[in-house]
Amino acid sequence: QVQLVQSGAEMKKPGSSVKVSCTASGGTFSTYTINWVRQAPGQGLEWIGGIIPTYGAPKTAQKFQGRVTITADESTSTVSMELSRLRSDDTAVYYCGRTIQAYYFYPMDVWGQGTTVTVSS
Amino acid sequence: DTQMTQSPSTLSASVGDRVTITCRASQSISTWLAWYQQKPGKAPQLLIYKASRLENGVPSRFSGSGSGTEFTLTISRLQPDDFATYYCQQYDSPYSFGQGTKLEIK
Repeated sequence: QVQLVQSGAEMKKPGSSVKVSCTASGGTFSTYTINWVRQAPGQGLEWIGGIIPTYGAPKTAQKFQGRVTITADESTSTVSMELSRLRSDDTAVYYCGRTIQAYYFYPMDVWGQGTTVTVSS
Repeated sequence: DTQMTQSPSTLSASVGDRVTITCRASQSISTWLAWYQQKPGKAPQLLIYKASRLENGVPSRFSGSGSGTEFTLTISRLQPDDFATYYCQQYDSPYSFGQGTKLEIK
């Protein structure tokens, strides 16, 4: 059974960057899309971007283009998401999720536990 | 970008009720629509994909329908465990979520 384990909580200053990782175990890694979704306190879900590790080229939501970098390391079965120029409204829980089928941006049925990122001066 | 609009934002119901949540897309997404359930402090859980296909392990009281721009999630007989927030998600281009519907106990 596939499991996704995310890195721990982060506290950052405005203007800095944060890097969150998501490591997969127990299943196929390279061909399934791993996405990043965030949820600000009391708010809904927001897709940030995703990557199919074997292809390497990520897709990102227009809102985050130029500010987010998503990479995959097949040797460690890890996908990372770096968000730069942090603002207070980037405070959120960040989730990674794996799609139900390989090679496409399909819905996600396996999720990480979430990583809380707090941006505050 | 495809915008997703859910209604209502909040829904009050009782155990045993039948409830319906609606999701509208700003442009046609065929049947590339999923529904998730989320409980406080937890990651979302996939319920339905391709508008009407039930994810493995999801109770049959959940059902989905629709195509194009209008979709519905129906829970036929509410159970105590169903009180949660529900999100629709389009995966046509490539993703966006509705704003959520909080299902509360009446």
